[in-house]
Amino acid sequence: AQSVAQPEDQVNVAEGNPLTVKCTYSVSGNPYLFWYVQYPNRGLQFLLKYITGDNLVKGSYGFEAEFNKSQTSFHLKKPSALVSDSALYFCAVRQGGGADGLTFGKGTHLIIQP
Amino acid sequence: GAVVSQHPSRVICKSGTSVKIECRSLDFQATTMFWYRQFPKKSLMLMATSNEGSKATYEQGVEKDKFLINHASLTLSTLTVTSAHPEDSSFYICSASLAGDTGELFFGEGSRLTVL
Repeated sequence: AQSVAQPEDQVNVAEGNPLTVKCTYSVSGNPYLFWYVQYPNRGLQFLLKYITGDNLVKGSYGFEAEFNKSQTSFHLKKPSALVSDSALYFCAVRQGGGADGLTFGKGTHLIIQP
Repeated sequence: GAVVSQHPSRVICKSGTSVKIECRSLDFQATTMFWYRQFPKKSLMLMATSNEGSKATYEQGVEKDKFLINHASLTLSTLTVTSAHPEDSSFYICSASLAGDTGELFFGEGSRLTVL
């Protein structure tokens, strides 16, 4: 079985400050990890993914995430937050080479305050 | 590339009627599509996995007779909510993955269903 935990329902950050949205996972074998963003009444947009290779993954809109195998984490980060980054963020995992689809975390509301 | 289109984006219907939502992969062939339901401020709940040319695989607790899924071609899957009731009101999102890929999902824009 695979699972994802996003421990924070909401994260508040001042504009211009660095932001972190936390994600930990559980999966058998090698994990494929993803971050998606959802704006109100919209579908999910892909931000970035980790499949293999460099632990630091860079994605869309200046976001990046670091894969940490020992801590089974894949936290989303951005050096300087924008008000327009305010949205709902989902972390997702699947087992590499497995038959199951993506399992999503419950989501974290990111609120960037001007 | 990998664009998924979902239609309609919003639909309002009377209780007891049926509503069909379409999900199309515009620039790729999707052998597998996924239908999710999202409640307000909640995560995505996988309803079913739709496989082209075969029956959908429903998640536990999802009524297959109420939520009919058809995947008749490699670019189209439909979700029909039959005999809709107010408790079926929700945001429904479809997604698709590229065959043989890493499992990354491409999402439609979602459909807001309101049952009066």
